[in-house]
Amino acid sequence: DAGVTQSPTHLIKTRGQQVTLRCSPKSGHDTVSWYQQALGQGPQFIFQYYEEEERQRGNFPDRFSGHQFPNYSSELNVNALLLGDSALYLCASSPPGTTSWDTGELFFGEGSRLTVL
Amino acid sequence: AQKVTQAQTEISVVEKEDVTLDCVYETRDTTYYLFWYKQPPSGELVFLIRRNSFDEQNEISGRYSWNFQKSTSSFNFTITASQVVDSAVYFCALRNSIQGAQKLVFGQGTRLTINP
Repeated sequence: DAGVTQSPTHLIKTRGQQVTLRCSPKSGHDTVSWYQQALGQGPQFIFQYYEEEERQRGNFPDRFSGHQFPNYSSELNVNALLLGDSALYLCASSPPGTTSWDTGELFFGEGSRLTVL
Repeated sequence: AQKVTQAQTEISVVEKEDVTLDCVYETRDTTYYLFWYKQPPSGELVFLIRRNSFDEQNEISGRYSWNFQKSTSSFNFTITASQVVDSAVYFCALRNSIQGAQKLVFGQGTRLTINP
């Protein structure tokens, strides 16, 4: 049973470019969220997707956008990259229904490390 | 606003020593959830424990134990007889009670190094 998978694992971009990161949730999970983790910091919540809609959003500018597909996989897009966007981007998923509410457990992937030069 | 503070940036101990990681939180919610996650060098966050705000019972799981004290807004984590494999960054996190919400507020983490 595969866990949360993310791609690419590493990538390098230059300022002003755009990037797309991809996430496949754990089998049976329908909710996906994205976190940004700067070096030496704790993860920060970007947004959450459920039923192909953004349900909750953290304090991130509109340059950060996302999408969820019918198979529950998700993409994170960042436009007009800044040096400060360099970070580990983590995807997390949780199962449907009340289970995620009861356990509160999110399953995280290993992340995509983005470097902006 | 919600906030989690892990005052210890780095801790280094010798194997078999006991070590406690501190976590202090702030929230206006009366119902909330607290978590500890472990992040090994691979980057994946591994869930360790969840505690509800209305359940202050402390818990022991093998070499791990957790001390939740609502009066001091603390949720500390102790590893007994530490092992080299315990070396990782540990995060304390807070979540509100909205059903289905996945927004966790994390502390800055404590890097734990266990030396042989």
